[in-house]
Amino acid sequence: DIVLTQSPGTLSLSPGERATLSCKASQWITTGWLAWYQQKPGQPPRLLVYGASSRAPGIPDNFIGSGSGTDFTLTISRLEPDDFAVYYCHHYGSSPRAFGQGTKVEMK
Amino acid sequence: EMQLVEIGGGLIQPGGSLRLSCVASGFTFSNYIIHWVRQVPGKGLEWISSINSNGDDIEFLDSVKGRFTISRDNAKNSVYLQMNSLRVEDTAVYYCARRSRAFDIWGQGTMVTVSS
Repeated sequence: DIVLTQSPGTLSLSPGERATLSCKASQWITTGWLAWYQQKPGQPPRLLVYGASSRAPGIPDNFIGSGSGTDFTLTISRLEPDDFAVYYCHHYGSSPRAFGQGTKVEMK
Repeated sequence: EMQLVEIGGGLIQPGGSLRLSCVASGFTFSNYIIHWVRQVPGKGLEWISSINSNGDDIEFLDSVKGRFTISRDNAKNSVYLQMNSLRVEDTAVYYCARRSRAFDIWGQGTMVTVSS
């Protein structure tokens, strides 16, 4: 089974700063079936990036997914107040569809 | 508007059963794989089950195999998660999600609390 490990656990940043979130897989993820989601309290996850680097419809271009194989990154180029949330990476290829444990981006 | 709505959560005693429904609207439901994901409040996301578009390919997380079943009725735009032999550790918010570009549409979730 693929295990996804996200780091850091918490990122304390100010609006306007750049956030870099890491997701490392225990096995090679073929065909780039890696997604990123944003979740705010009391809400379901919201798809940001699929296929490792493709933005979902309506997602602003300051959310940038990159990586391949076992190392993936979500970059938020300039944090807006609305971007402070928990972010999860997700392997949606084969069963079981693993999620990372999440990175909380909090306001410093 | 494309949406999924989960119905059927609640408080149930350990060993009990509960059936969750996921009702879709705004898209051609029969074309899509549907997944169930759960989340203990304050914790991370855990994938638990999926069913393909015509219901003949089903998968489960190991910890729920033999206790949970999944089915769908495309005429009613619905997927059902039958949960038997419920345990305290099954307490969570249960979400259904559409598999398109990854999990692109999620319901708002329904809370299942297993407690005596």
